[in-house]
Amino acid sequence: NAGVTQTPKFQVLKTGQSMTLQCAQDMNHEYMSWYRQDPGMGLRLIHYSVGAGITDQGEVPNGYNVSRSTTEDFPLRLLSAAPSQTSVYFCASSYKSPNQPQHFGDGTRLSIL
Amino acid sequence: EDQVTQSPEALRLQEGESSSLNCSYTVSGLRGLFWYRQDPGKGPEFLFTLYSAGEEKEKERLKATLTKKESFLHITAPKPEDSATYLCAVPTDSNYQLIWGAGTKLIIKP
Repeated sequence: NAGVTQTPKFQVLKTGQSMTLQCAQDMNHEYMSWYRQDPGMGLRLIHYSVGAGITDQGEVPNGYNVSRSTTEDFPLRLLSAAPSQTSVYFCASSYKSPNQPQHFGDGTRLSIL
Repeated sequence: EDQVTQSPEALRLQEGESSSLNCSYTVSGLRGLFWYRQDPGKGPEFLFTLYSAGEEKEKERLKATLTKKESFLHITAPKPEDSATYLCAVPTDSNYQLIWGAGTKLIIKP
């Protein structure tokens, strides 16, 4: 049972480049989310999904795009990378909502030069 | 504005020295409070959910308590393996979003 798997673990991009962070879960969870974690700040929600085909914005959605074509996968796309997007990104899943225990991946450490 | 504040930012203890971490919140109508543990280079791991004032939950050397304005994570006779960052979070008015505190980094020295 792999839980939540994120790839890649590390990535360095140049300003203006685009990329996709991958997230997959094998627990048949309906709720999935993307957070960013910056020093001295709490986790901030970027986008979330309550099921296949349904996504919504979180607290800090600008510059990011998501889709949920299957229950298992929830990729996060950076459209045109900016230095302010340098952060650690976590994907999480839970049964139906974040009010139930969330399972997190080990994160993607992203640097934008 | 909904807010979650954790204190202290960092706490250094000797092995066996008990203490408490604080999570204070300002939300309208508490619908739960969550504690997570985060090890370096890893994602957060769920510890506890508390729903109402007066509720307590325990797991090994950890006990979480909840009042109407704050929650405490008490650690009794900690061991070096308890070293981690402890995060708390509360739901917003939306059922699908949480507000997270910045965490308390706990270091237990042998």
